[in-house]
Amino acid sequence: DAMVIQNPRYQVTQFGKPVTLSCSQTLNHNVMYWYQQKSSQAPKLLFHYYDKDFNNEADTPDNFQSRRPNTSFCFLDIRSPGLGDAAMYLCATSRGGSGGAGEQFFGPGTRLTVL
Amino acid sequence: AQSVTQLGSHVSVSEGALVLLRCNYSSSVPPYLFWYVQYPNQGLQLLLKYTSAATLVKGINGFEAEFKKSETSFHLTKPSAHMSDAAEYFCAVSTGKNAGNMLTFGGGTRLMVKP
Repeated sequence: DAMVIQNPRYQVTQFGKPVTLSCSQTLNHNVMYWYQQKSSQAPKLLFHYYDKDFNNEADTPDNFQSRRPNTSFCFLDIRSPGLGDAAMYLCATSRGGSGGAGEQFFGPGTRLTVL
Repeated sequence: AQSVTQLGSHVSVSEGALVLLRCNYSSSVPPYLFWYVQYPNQGLQLLLKYTSAATLVKGINGFEAEFKKSETSFHLTKPSAHMSDAAEYFCAVSTGKNAGNMLTFGGGTRLMVKP
């Protein structure tokens, strides 16, 4: 089945220790997104790639970076995690282009714990 | 600009009772509307979407939603709740692919189902 895969599902890191979360997709979608979701809140968009074009949300902290080496993979790098960065991180994809609703397909998420 | 309001952050129903989750939106252009469900420690799963083809939309797991332009609403219903329906539900609006499929989420409604 075509899907969005996130690894690892659970990640524990130490305060200030860099961490990388990964996302891959077999849907061949050209748009990929990273969201941060804290408890009992809606997902908050951090950034997205439209093909190779990187789009950062205005309020995304500089501590968060992303890489998309090819269509299938996208990474979220947190350079110096703080306690406030503990959250669920969701990757999503959609088919960009002309017309249509372009719904987003989500991966299962990575729950990040910062000690 | 667009926004989504979900009335009621928590809704509790008895098993077998009607489920009604409310969603109102504002959008400066004809919207695409979505309902997503999120189970604990999981990603978001698309329940259904409105893409202007039909105002009554049927989704998975027996859910449906009706688009009412005059009321700017897209409420989610299910005739008979099941224990497995207990989850967080998010309504979202998009202006479509040409805008990069950006989703604006409501705050979410946690559905609890009592035996």
